Amino acid sequence: QKEVEQDPGPLSVPEGAIVSLNCTYSNSAFQYFMWYRQYSRKGPELLMYTYSSGNKEDGRFTAQVDKSSKYISLFIRDSQPSDSATYLCAMSATTGGYNKLIFGAGTRLAVHP
Amino acid sequence: EAGVAQSPRYKIIEKRQSVAFWCNPISGHATLYWYQQILGQGPKLLIQFQNNGVVDDSQLPKDRFSAERLKGVDSTLKIQPAKLEDSAVYLCASSSRLAGGRYNEQFFGPGTRLTVL
Repeated sequence: QKEVEQDPGPLSVPEGAIVSLNCTYSNSAFQYFMWYRQYSRKGPELLMYTYSSGNKEDGRFTAQVDKSSKYISLFIRDSQPSDSATYLCAMSATTGGYNKLIFGAGTRLAVHP
Repeated sequence: EAGVAQSPRYKIIEKRQSVAFWCNPISGHATLYWYQQILGQGPKLLIQFQNNGVVDDSQLPKDRFSAERLKGVDSTLKIQPAKLEDSAVYLCASSSRLAGGRYNEQFFGPGTRLTVL
């Protein structure tokens, strides 16, 4: 069993749709939960991070963490063609001042006009 | 602020050849990471440096992969000899050290796309 499971998609939605992306994990030591966005032929860039359980909102993006279910979600409201990318969830447990990221496989999202 | 620089951006080699990738992290970032991202998968950490010391190399195939960060700034990742399954994007990332328990964001470079024929 992988530490982090993510549905690879692809996911295709019309512009303006609400998108829901999800990951599950098995390691209860994870404390930080991140969503990275990766455009084609680019490196990942951090979209949002959440510490422990709860919700976090940033513009059209909302991240949710449910540690009891070991389940995290990213919601994108009013999706735009510019949101078309691969979305990677990542998690880490901080030890001795370092954090090691464990990534999901990534979900490819296409938003069509 | 300049981002993480990597070169070359693309490399095509034949199996059993050697190859080297270079990374220059964001100025002042003490921690440097090398990741391997195989097509359709998420990045997998190969090695993590703190200044010029290795923090974690548990997933580095040490029989063929090596990495160094001699002066605690830029870094080189080498593969010798390359295998077909090494075809992947090699990403370099850097971060500053944790402060006050806050998550220290890893900033990624554009990656080097390696094709082994």
